[in-house]
Amino acid sequence: QSVVTQPPAASGTPGQRVSISCSGGYSNIGSHSVSWYQQLPGTAPKLLIYSNYQVTGGVPDRFSGSKSGTSASLAISGLQSEDEADYYCAAWDDSLNVYVFGTGTKVTVL
Amino acid sequence: EVQIVESGGGLVEPGGSLRLSCSASGFPFATYTMSWVRQAPGKGLEWISSMTNSGSSIFYADSVKGRFTISRDNAKNSLFLHMNSLRDDDSAVYYCARELQFYFDNWGQGTLVTVSS
Repeated sequence: QSVVTQPPAASGTPGQRVSISCSGGYSNIGSHSVSWYQQLPGTAPKLLIYSNYQVTGGVPDRFSGSKSGTSASLAISGLQSEDEADYYCAAWDDSLNVYVFGTGTKVTVL
Repeated sequence: EVQIVESGGGLVEPGGSLRLSCSASGFPFATYTMSWVRQAPGKGLEWISSMTNSGSSIFYADSVKGRFTISRDNAKNSLFLHMNSLRDDDSAVYYCARELQFYFDNWGQGTLVTVSS
């Protein structure tokens, strides 16, 4: 059972904005930067966002990240069919001395 | 171009052992912390171990502590995961990933480990 939780699913129609939340605690998100990963079906995870809001090179600028307190959020504006994937947040946890991944969110493009 | 390739996965009986390898190229391997992350079938990502560039610091998830050992050979640009006392719930795709400041910027394609009798 992960200490960082995400909604299991999110969806939207093409062109819509979708937001995914990532809720943790003081020892992880509250104390360390958050990263976000996209996992397309049958492929390895890919880094999208690091240091809370920095977008990895080559990632479309419709992806953005933010953090406030013990929560973080990934937003996809102008949703496209190729964005259909699983998304995970992650952060180091000082209390557990481990990296913790969020529970993951499956994004569906309707 | 950064390339990370895992190998060594396969079918092993409960209680058995396996050694995974991760071969890296396209970057100065000896200067990077490297990690293993796994994903059980239909489940989410689980970080399991990291080793700093010199090997001076090693971290493990509680789920594998005492059973798995991470090691590296910087001369051969390789990372390893020695897995002992394997259990059914160790069945997963194991990914090798390059680690920067609290994030994983490059991942391999993964190698599948199946623990079953």
